Amino acid sequence: AQSVTQPDIHITVSEGASLELRCNYSYGATPYLFWYVQSPGQGLQLLLKYFSGDTLVQGIKGFEAEFKRSQSSFNLRKPSVHWSDAAEYFCAVGRPDAGGTSYGKLTFGQGTILTVHP
Amino acid sequence: EAGVVQSPRYKIIEKKQPVAFWCNPISGHNTLYWYLQNLGQGPELLIRYENEEAVDDSQLPKDRFSAERLKGVDSTLKIQPAELGDSAVYLCASSSTPWAEQYFGPGTRLTVT
Repeated sequence: AQSVTQPDIHITVSEGASLELRCNYSYGATPYLFWYVQSPGQGLQLLLKYFSGDTLVQGIKGFEAEFKRSQSSFNLRKPSVHWSDAAEYFCAVGRPDAGGTSYGKLTFGQGTILTVHP
Repeated sequence: EAGVVQSPRYKIIEKKQPVAFWCNPISGHNTLYWYLQNLGQGPELLIRYENEEAVDDSQLPKDRFSAERLKGVDSTLKIQPAELGDSAVYLCASSSTPWAEQYFGPGTRLTVT
């Protein structure tokens, strides 16, 4: 079964600083990888996804992530953090179901809470 | 375009009472998901619908949980009877196809006392 680990429960950065959130997955084949953001009282919003192709993926709000098969990682990055980026971030992995009709059940990590200092 | 609508947003009940959550997906989205999110955890899929059909309910505790999606639009998730451990946020999401981006609602926060 697939699993996702987000090693950092809480990260604090200063506004304008760079950001990297770590995500490691466990899955036998090439997974489908996602990063979601959740603000307090809100649902999850998709930042970016990786299905295949270029391993550097660009997303919304200036975020990007890089798929590294050798390290089983899909880390999220942003060159300059804004105060509005404070939220909880979830990495998720999916895999095709047996019939190939969907990317199947998403398995989420535990999340990383990002605090941004002015 | 309206997003995924869930109601109620908050619910407090005593244990052993029944409770129901309602979800209205984005118009035209045939795929609907119910997730459970415990405090400090990521969401876990409970059930996935393709139109009216529940195509993946392997994680739904069927002894007390039930769900339905009549007419392939709105969906209701029910718990009967509720237990203390059911306190969590229940998220609904929808997508246009099983391969498309999932759009999440704001969730229903359930507290069982």
